[in-house]
Amino acid sequence: EAGVAQSPRYKIIEKRQSVAFWCNPISGHATLYWYQQILGQGPKLLIQFQNNGVVDDSQLPKDRFSAERLKGVDSTLKIQPAKLEDSAVYLCASSFGGSGSPLHFGNGTRLTVT
Amino acid sequence: TQLLEQSPQFLSIQEGENLTVYCNSSSVFSSLQWYRQEPGEGPVLLVTVVTGGEVKKLKRLTFQFGDARKDSSLHITAAQPGDTGLYLCAGGSGGGADGLTFGKGTHLIIQP
Repeated sequence: EAGVAQSPRYKIIEKRQSVAFWCNPISGHATLYWYQQILGQGPKLLIQFQNNGVVDDSQLPKDRFSAERLKGVDSTLKIQPAKLEDSAVYLCASSFGGSGSPLHFGNGTRLTVT
Repeated sequence: TQLLEQSPQFLSIQEGENLTVYCNSSSVFSSLQWYRQEPGEGPVLLVTVVTGGEVKKLKRLTFQFGDARKDSSLHITAAQPGDTGLYLCAGGSGGGADGLTFGKGTHLIIQP
């Protein structure tokens, strides 16, 4: 089966600019997650979608981050305006959903904010 | 907020040695997963444990879930250079918001 696709792989922007990341989950996976992984740390959940509805966005910095999954398939994550501390790898994952379901991760987008 | 502490943070050993890494929390988890991540890639699931006291074996890897479902360990026998990577444990709390909480990981290097 095709895996989780993410683009772009790398992005370099200046602080205060905006940036968007795209994710296409595994076909049939209802649940989609965006994680932020800062260098040297484990992934931190930003937002979880079930189909096109938000299940958990408690750790999403909503003053600058937004995400959508309009048709319950692809998703985009946007940062506007970016700060230096947003430099990280942004990982998208999908699963069938439900407690204990394995997450399938994409290879991430590495963002550098200068 | 549920936290997972992993130890050691870094481990470098020779090929053929055995090792154990740990994942501890003060919170109870409904399930616990172990992932391995290589540079430039996303984490890949190794195992899921859901029952307190459960032991699962995957070739040279042995995973154990604590009786109280607050901790877990990963033991590797006769480590090989291909085992090199970042090992992450992740806890699930169950319910509708089932996004996993990850530890910071153990960076493992197996030297040939």
